[in-house]
Amino acid sequence: NAGVTQTPKFQVLKTGQSMTLQCAQDMNHNSMYWYRQDPGMGLRLIYYSASEGTTDKGEVPNGYNVSRLNKREFSLRLESAAPSQTSVYFCASSEQGPPTDTQYFGPGTRLTVL
Amino acid sequence: GENVEQHPSTLSVQEGDSAVIKCTYSDSASNYFPWYKQELGKGPQLIIDIRSNVGEKKDQRIAVTLNKTAKHFSLHITETQPEDSAVYFCAASRPGGGNKLTFGTGTQLKVEL
Repeated sequence: NAGVTQTPKFQVLKTGQSMTLQCAQDMNHNSMYWYRQDPGMGLRLIYYSASEGTTDKGEVPNGYNVSRLNKREFSLRLESAAPSQTSVYFCASSEQGPPTDTQYFGPGTRLTVL
Repeated sequence: GENVEQHPSTLSVQEGDSAVIKCTYSDSASNYFPWYKQELGKGPQLIIDIRSNVGEKKDQRIAVTLNKTAKHFSLHITETQPEDSAVYFCAASRPGGGNKLTFGTGTQLKVEL
């Protein structure tokens, strides 16, 4: 089991460029999440997908879109990147409901927007 | 929405000493409180969690306590070792709503030899 995988690991963009961050999980989890991590601010939820076919906004959704492509894959798209989106992005997945609702995180994508 | 505060932001201890990290939460409906450890360049990894029907939980050198009345929970690490050096995050979630977690801002723990 690879768990949660993310591509790419690193990316540099210019302001206004677009890109898609990919995430896949092989644990047959229903729920998937995208977070961003900034110094001194912990992890903040961007979007989540409670189950295949559904997506909902988190705490900081502006400037992002998501697609739950199937049960395994959940992508995050930046349509027009801004320097404020420079961050480390983490994808996570979980089952729903106790006692199996632990969120498992991927290794992250470090994004720099110039 | 939920607000989770975490203290201290940095903590330095001598090897073998204990470390305590504290978090408070604002939403009285929150009932699940995980702790994550993040090593440099890696994603967060769950180390222990506690639910609101339990006051304390232990796993070897790690323990978590929960005070629902005061809305705070703490992580205790005993007999610290150099490999415990990392950033630790607390989090909270409430029932329903897709198991969304609200994280604290993290504690950088350094265990010195």
